Amino acid sequence: AQSVTQPDIHITVSEGASLELRCNYSYGATPYLFWYVQSPGQGLQLLLKYFSGDTLVQGIKGFEAEFKRSQSSFNLRKPSVHWSDAAEYFCAVGLFTGNQFYFGTGTSLTVIP
Amino acid sequence: DVKVTQSSRYLVKRTGEKVFLECVQDMDHENMFWYRQDPGLGLRLIYFSYDVKMKEKGDIPEGYSVSREKKERFSLILESASTNQTSMYLCASSSVGAGSSAQHFGDGTRLSIL
Repeated sequence: AQSVTQPDIHITVSEGASLELRCNYSYGATPYLFWYVQSPGQGLQLLLKYFSGDTLVQGIKGFEAEFKRSQSSFNLRKPSVHWSDAAEYFCAVGLFTGNQFYFGTGTSLTVIP
Repeated sequence: DVKVTQSSRYLVKRTGEKVFLECVQDMDHENMFWYRQDPGLGLRLIYFSYDVKMKEKGDIPEGYSVSREKKERFSLILESASTNQTSMYLCASSSVGAGSSAQHFGDGTRLSIL
């Protein structure tokens, strides 16, 4: 079955520490890959996307993500977390065939001073 | 920037009422989507539309219907609201190729059914 997995439901990091949020997918072909962020009470905002080419993509707010085909992963990273990064993060994959688009269940990030 | 506007941020309705949630996008996008978001379940697709008057069922269409009479507007209808439809509802839009285009979201409507 097709799936998007975010294995960490909740992560806590200290302000200034590095961050890595995991995302794995299960599809036959390389999908289109996205990361979104959702602040409390808000809709989802696109952080970055991967379609093809360079496997390390840069996004907004200082985030980056790396596509690893061999591991079917698209992990989100940030070198130094700020308190304002506390939010829910969603990984998503899209398949051109059939216009399908799937979200992971999200990872909630807490940032402690 | 793409602007997706949902008509209400908070809405309280009673069991059995017919409820309309409205969504408007200003970027001439072909695709529009309705999701509901519940703790621990992530986003679940209710319906999406890839053109005016066209719609397809998502993962959880039961108890819902949609209407898309104009390209910029996509309405979600709860035919007879029930308490298990209390949730956050998110509308999104994207350009052609729904699988390859990033979706742009509204701020959500938090709906409570009493």
